[in-house]
Amino acid sequence: AQSVTQPDARVTVSEGASLQLRCKYSYSGTPYLFWYVQYPRQGLQLLLKYYSGDPVVQGVNGFEAEFSKSNSSFHLRKASVHWSDSAVYFCVLRGDNYAQGLTFGLGTRVSVFP
Amino acid sequence: EAGVTQSPRYAVLQEGQAVSFWCDPISGHDTLYWYQQPRDQGPQLLVYFRDEAVIDNSQLPSDRFSAVRPKGTNSTLKIQSAKQGDTATYLCASSFTSGNTLYFGEGSRLIVV
Repeated sequence: AQSVTQPDARVTVSEGASLQLRCKYSYSGTPYLFWYVQYPRQGLQLLLKYYSGDPVVQGVNGFEAEFSKSNSSFHLRKASVHWSDSAVYFCVLRGDNYAQGLTFGLGTRVSVFP
Repeated sequence: EAGVTQSPRYAVLQEGQAVSFWCDPISGHDTLYWYQQPRDQGPQLLVYFRDEAVIDNSQLPSDRFSAVRPKGTNSTLKIQSAKQGDTATYLCASSFTSGNTLYFGEGSRLIVV
């Protein structure tokens, strides 16, 4: 079985401050890991993805994530947030068996205030 | 390049009514997925296709939900005799079989009263 845990349901941060969203996964094999973002009344958009190589991956709009096999984690970071980063962020896992599809975390709702 | 297109964007039904959602995937993508996303939750896979074949529909409530992709391109998800518990956003996504990135449509929001 595979699972994804996002321990923070909501995060509030000031514009210009840094942001970290936590993600822990459970999977016995080598996972594909993704972060997707969902803006209000829009579909899911891919921020970044990781499978192998450098554990720090760069994504769009200044986001990056760091993979840790020892901690089974894939945390997302941004150095300085903008009000337009207010959205719901999903950590997503895909196992080697494509038939299992994607496993989503419950999401973290980020609110950025001036 | 056009993205994944879904329609209708919104639907409001009374219990017992039926609704169909339509999805047009990205051109050339052979794999198509339907997800259900209840409010304030993550998406959950309902069914997915490779070309016209159903690969996994184990999470599809088969008594009232059905999905087809007859020509391996567009797909329709139908809910018969809707219940209040079906209230959710229905997301369609597509990808290449060899790829691991899914591209999502904007979703079809269903409210059952």
